[in-house]
Amino acid sequence: GQNIDQPTEMTATEGAIVQINCTYQTSGFNGLFWYQQHAGEAPTFLSYNVLDGLEEKGRFSSFLSRSKGYSYLLLKELQMKDSASYLCAVEVGGFKTIFGAGTRLFVKA
Amino acid sequence: SQTIHQWPATLVQPVGSPLSLECTVEGTSNPNLYWYRQAAGRGLQLLFYSVGIGQISSEVPQNLSASRPQDRQFILSSKKLLLSDSGFYLCAWSGLAYGTYEQYFGPGTRLTVT
Repeated sequence: GQNIDQPTEMTATEGAIVQINCTYQTSGFNGLFWYQQHAGEAPTFLSYNVLDGLEEKGRFSSFLSRSKGYSYLLLKELQMKDSASYLCAVEVGGFKTIFGAGTRLFVKA
Repeated sequence: SQTIHQWPATLVQPVGSPLSLECTVEGTSNPNLYWYRQAAGRGLQLLFYSVGIGQISSEVPQNLSASRPQDRQFILSSKKLLLSDSGFYLCAWSGLAYGTYEQYFGPGTRLTVT
């Protein structure tokens, strides 16, 4: 079976750092994606990890441990516009990607 | 640059009526194409994906079908809609040209079945 787990909701303060965790158990693994989705809009690509370690891209970083089936998305210097859902997704092979249910992040002033 | 179009943006249909949602991609050739459905407050459910013309993989057995009559056109259809078909339908494309298979999503169609 395919299983991707993320917390349902998180709340953080503007200017702070937040870490969104994702654990996965899938029948295949080619890489892990993080997407951002604002309410009522389509998801947009944030990051991709295929090897273990940390990938940094501006205020956003993503970490992967393939042996542990674990990833996290780190958001620094939070801004109000970062309030959105963050979707963890695993490419399981054959161009097929499985998405988690998403974590809704609320950034408060 | 690549662009993905979806229409209509919103749709209200009665139970038992047919459905046709269209998605087209511009600026790329031989893309992988996907149809997802997202229920309110939920994650993305993969419905169909296609790696080429006429090649459709179905992920969820239900009353929906998909077709790819042209390289950059992907159509989602139903002969008779159910109440449970309501949701936010997203089309996406991916291609290896950018080093990874990240997906780019269209604006989505919000379908309400009444």
